[in-house]
Amino acid sequence: EPEVTQTPSHQVTQMGQEVILRCVPISNHLYFYWYRQILGQKVEFLVSFYNNEISEKSEIFDDQFSVERPDGSNFTLKIRSTKLEDSAMYFCASSPGQGAYGYTFGSGTRLTVV
Amino acid sequence: AQKITQTQPGMFVQEKEAVTLDCTYDTSDQSYGLFWYKQPSSGEMIFLIYQGSYDEQNATEGRYSLNFQKARKSANLVISASQLGDSAMYFCAMRGLAPRTNAGKSTFGDGTTLTVKP
Repeated sequence: EPEVTQTPSHQVTQMGQEVILRCVPISNHLYFYWYRQILGQKVEFLVSFYNNEISEKSEIFDDQFSVERPDGSNFTLKIRSTKLEDSAMYFCASSPGQGAYGYTFGSGTRLTVV
Repeated sequence: AQKITQTQPGMFVQEKEAVTLDCTYDTSDQSYGLFWYKQPSSGEMIFLIYQGSYDEQNATEGRYSLNFQKARKSANLVISASQLGDSAMYFCAMRGLAPRTNAGKSTFGDGTTLTVKP
């Protein structure tokens, strides 16, 4: 069964450093998302991406965050200057359409900012 | 704005019995979708079932069914014949459906931890 692949599974970074979280969505999916989950709590929306541009972003997704789909397969989330409160599990997800489609989530990247 | 409320932080069920996980929602959207996801202790998120706001029949997927009561704004998940592997966190989620421009965003509830006892 097709899956969404995320790398790395765990990343530890110093506060203030830049991190790039990588995702390979399912190849025939059109919509891509980043969500985060702090310590097994609520899943929070960060950004959605369609047709090579951001279609929606949350208030969490400030100027420190950016997304890119550089080569038609990878979908990356960059945090320019990490803060302690950025520590969370980051999930990439994709779906074939906007409607009656559940997301296929990746297995997540656990980001720890120290 | 959308809001999902899951009032049961934790639930216990005996193996082979049925269990209902509650979910209520609030939205101004005329057309929306309701979703349930399972998160085992390993951390991945697994899509379980979908219900559209205009679907007249309750959704079913194997042992999962969604008890959709639109007037009450509830979308409860029913798991029949519980198995030990059903022990996990369960999230209810919703999103507005096209042609809304933000149809992609989903709002999640706080989750319910289900423990299946042998």
